[in-house]
Amino acid sequence: QLHLQESGPGLVKPSETLSLTCSVSGGSVTRTYFYWGWVRQPPGEGLEWIGSIYYSGNTYYSPSLDNRITMTLDTSNNHFSLDLRSVTAADTAVYYCARLAPLEMLRGIPFYWSFDLWGRGTLVSVSS
Amino acid sequence: DIVMTQSPLALPVTPGESASISCRSSKSLLHSDGYNYLDWYLQKPGQSPQLLIYLGSNRASGVPDRFSGSGSGTDFTLKISSVEADDVGVYYCMQTLHTPRLTFGPGTKVDFK
Repeated sequence: QLHLQESGPGLVKPSETLSLTCSVSGGSVTRTYFYWGWVRQPPGEGLEWIGSIYYSGNTYYSPSLDNRITMTLDTSNNHFSLDLRSVTAADTAVYYCARLAPLEMLRGIPFYWSFDLWGRGTLVSVSS
Repeated sequence: DIVMTQSPLALPVTPGESASISCRSSKSLLHSDGYNYLDWYLQKPGQSPQLLIYLGSNRASGVPDRFSGSGSGTDFTLKISSVEADDVGVYYCMQTLHTPRLTFGPGTKVDFK
């Protein structure tokens, strides 16, 4: 059974870089047609999609974070990572990693994806 | 960008009664393939979100049939036919039309009166 686990520092100073890793066990990050994503949730607030990375390594970022974010796929260690630069207090949140899986196919080609598996989330606070 | 809204934002319910949540998108989520590109998720207290409904009306694996999704275009509804204690939490709709670029609604908190 596939399992996702976020890891990284729980406290980051303003203007520094927030770096998180999502370790994937029980399956490969290079599995064809799967995306891997990051979603965050500020304390007491709703969910915000941050970005997605395809099994091929192609990346897609939220327009509001596009100039500060980098996502990478590490096939050797079977994990994917998030770097968020120049953080402020507004970046304080629980960060979830999740799998965006193809749920529907047409003639062997996927056309619909949903978040079917999530990590437990990790709280990252931005404070001096 | 597609903006998602939900109503109500808070929904007190009585166990055993039905409950409905509305979700609206700023752009039609009805694709040319005839499907509506919308998901519903439930985040139970202290837990990660879990998928309930995809393609607007398809229940995800293991989701009880008391949950149903309906609607098309820009207006969608999640209905719980008989609310149980395990259904308490925050419900989110999410557009998938622009997958892998996704947008969540603000969430609707369901708890008991």
